[in-house]
Amino acid sequence: EPEVTQTPSHQVTQMGQEVILRCVPISNHLYFYWYRQILGQKVEFLVSFYNNEISEKSEIFDDQFSVERPDGSNFTLKIRSTKLEDSAMYFCASRPTEMNTEAFFGQGTRLTVV
Amino acid sequence: RKEVEQDPGPFNVPEGATVAFNCTYSNSASQSFFWYRQDCRKEPKLLMSVYSSGNEDGRFTAQLNRASQYISLLIRDSKLSDSATYLCVVNANYGGSQGNLIFGKGTKLSVKP
Repeated sequence: EPEVTQTPSHQVTQMGQEVILRCVPISNHLYFYWYRQILGQKVEFLVSFYNNEISEKSEIFDDQFSVERPDGSNFTLKIRSTKLEDSAMYFCASRPTEMNTEAFFGQGTRLTVV
Repeated sequence: RKEVEQDPGPFNVPEGATVAFNCTYSNSASQSFFWYRQDCRKEPKLLMSVYSSGNEDGRFTAQLNRASQYISLLIRDSKLSDSATYLCVVNANYGGSQGNLIFGKGTKLSVKP
């Protein structure tokens, strides 16, 4: 069964460092998303990406964040200068063509900022 | 007003019990509704989509009431393996949105032997 894969599974970084979280969405999907979940809290939308550009972003997704689809298969989330409060589980998700269909989630990257 | 609200639980039930979860959502324009299941420190996984007419998948039944903006999930004959957090999820469907999902905080279920 096709799946969304994310690497690394766990990343520890020092405050102020840049991190790149990587995702490989399901190959025939066109809509890509990043969500995050701070421990004990709900899953929150960060950004959606379609047709090689950001289609929507939340207020969490400030100038410290960026996304890229560098090579047609990978979908990356970059945090430029990490803060302690960026510590969370980051989930990548993808959807096929239509808006109202199931989103498939990757297993997540646990980011710990120290 | 919170966009998707759920009773946080926890619901502690014995094996074989029937348990019901409720959820309300604030955006009347939402078109798609889902129940996801999340195990501890894992990714959300789709349990079932929720249709206007109501739908059933084995021991699980989902209902939608658009007028009340209310969604429910019923689990019959609960198993130990049903222990998880159940997430009520609604498509944002705001004008121009590419359908990002809005999650409730989840209801934790613990099924005991």
